Amino acid sequence: GEDVEQSLFLSVREGDSSVINCTYTDSSSTYLYWYKQEPGAGLQLLTYIFSNMDMKQDQRLTVLLNKKDKHLSLRIADTQTGDSAIYFCAGPTDKLIFGTGTRLQVFP
Amino acid sequence: KAGVTQTPRYLIKTRGQQVTLSCSPISGHRSVSWYQQTPGQGLQFLFEYFSETQRNKGNFPGRFSGRQFSNSRSEMNVSTLELGDSALYLCASSPHPTGGDIQYFGAGTRLSVL
Repeated sequence: GEDVEQSLFLSVREGDSSVINCTYTDSSSTYLYWYKQEPGAGLQLLTYIFSNMDMKQDQRLTVLLNKKDKHLSLRIADTQTGDSAIYFCAGPTDKLIFGTGTRLQVFP
Repeated sequence: KAGVTQTPRYLIKTRGQQVTLSCSPISGHRSVSWYQQTPGQGLQFLFEYFSETQRNKGNFPGRFSGRQFSNSRSEMNVSTLELGDSALYLCASSPHPTGGDIQYFGAGTRLSVL
């Protein structure tokens, strides 16, 4: 069946780059998403990429999509303490399938 | 433009009761989807409504139901509440059905079942 997998934890030093990875098994959606969730909050759309693109850059965020390997990644440049949150990738079918979420911890 | 609005934000119910949650989509959006988030199961799709019709349904028991009104506002209902229904319920809206358009989420309704 459809499945999306992510690593559970990532810890980085403030100012470094963070890379969060995601793999999926199906691909029928036009979009693949990255959402951010802070404690006690809903899901904030961070960025998205069209399924026919390979890369998208949006300020400090870079999304890479490898359709052949069904791999999606999110790179956050110059990671700040305010980036500490859980990051979910989602897609890629006609109902959003979410990964388990990657908890990003940024330390000074 | 106002975002997706979910009411209430917090609810406390007891086992056996029923509950209704509301979601007002972004103006102009006709698709509303519901998701349940729990620590154990993560984010799971409940159902999607588009133009007042249920378009897709997740793997949840019949106690979970929903509907959409002509103004695109949606409600979900959970009957005979169980402890395991305690969760954050999230609603998302988009102009077109899921898969073909960007999904925007509300802040969620946190339901506690005692």
